[in-house]
Amino acid sequence: GAGVSQSPRYKVAKRGQDVALRCDPISGHVSLFWYQQALGQGPEFLTYFQNEAQLDKSGLPSDRFFAERPEGSVSTLKIQRTQQEDSAVYLCASSSDWNTEAFFGQGTRLTVV
Amino acid sequence: AQSVTQLDSQVPVFEEAPVELRCNYSSSVSVYLFWYVQYPNQGLQLLLKYLSGSTLVESINGFEAEFNKSQTSFHLRKPSVHISDTAEYFCAVSPNAGNMLTFGGGTRLMVKP
Repeated sequence: GAGVSQSPRYKVAKRGQDVALRCDPISGHVSLFWYQQALGQGPEFLTYFQNEAQLDKSGLPSDRFFAERPEGSVSTLKIQRTQQEDSAVYLCASSSDWNTEAFFGQGTRLTVV
Repeated sequence: AQSVTQLDSQVPVFEEAPVELRCNYSSSVSVYLFWYVQYPNQGLQLLLKYLSGSTLVESINGFEAEFNKSQTSFHLRKPSVHISDTAEYFCAVSPNAGNMLTFGGGTRLMVKP
């Protein structure tokens, strides 16, 4: 596609619900990144894929967070048993390789009530 | 590990006035430096970057930033701002050329008529 696409754009979840956030990277991009941006703060790194391999998940805040990219293209970030502190914008970015410019999607705004 | 500090959370300025958005960083390794812009309801867009060579880098819309290694700074400047420059600006560093980014907290530039 023309750019990184994320869905849904907005998600409201009740505390305790599970959510799944989708990222469609730019076609052909092998590297994919997830960031979390809390209100009024800069994005913070969550996890990184090279093709289908998750090479770094050091930024995932708890074991409730899980990301996958089974075919090396679309990625899903799953949050189990959501908590209020999970409320944030989740940004996805892709790049053609590990050391090239990353292009960001518009993000998914998650609100946990 | 790296960290980025943006000292000003908000910068109000009148149209056609000059502006400087400050960014300082710390890192135990050599890093590349970036400025991203986020317009309302849009994703992050790369504004400019310093990878090597001349320490003064420019964007296509009149912004410039200067890498100062001794002061570990990468301040963003524009000699005359427009209403359309109103946005959130993020400074970021990376150990490679474009991703695995560490962001600052952001500076909201508010241009007033």
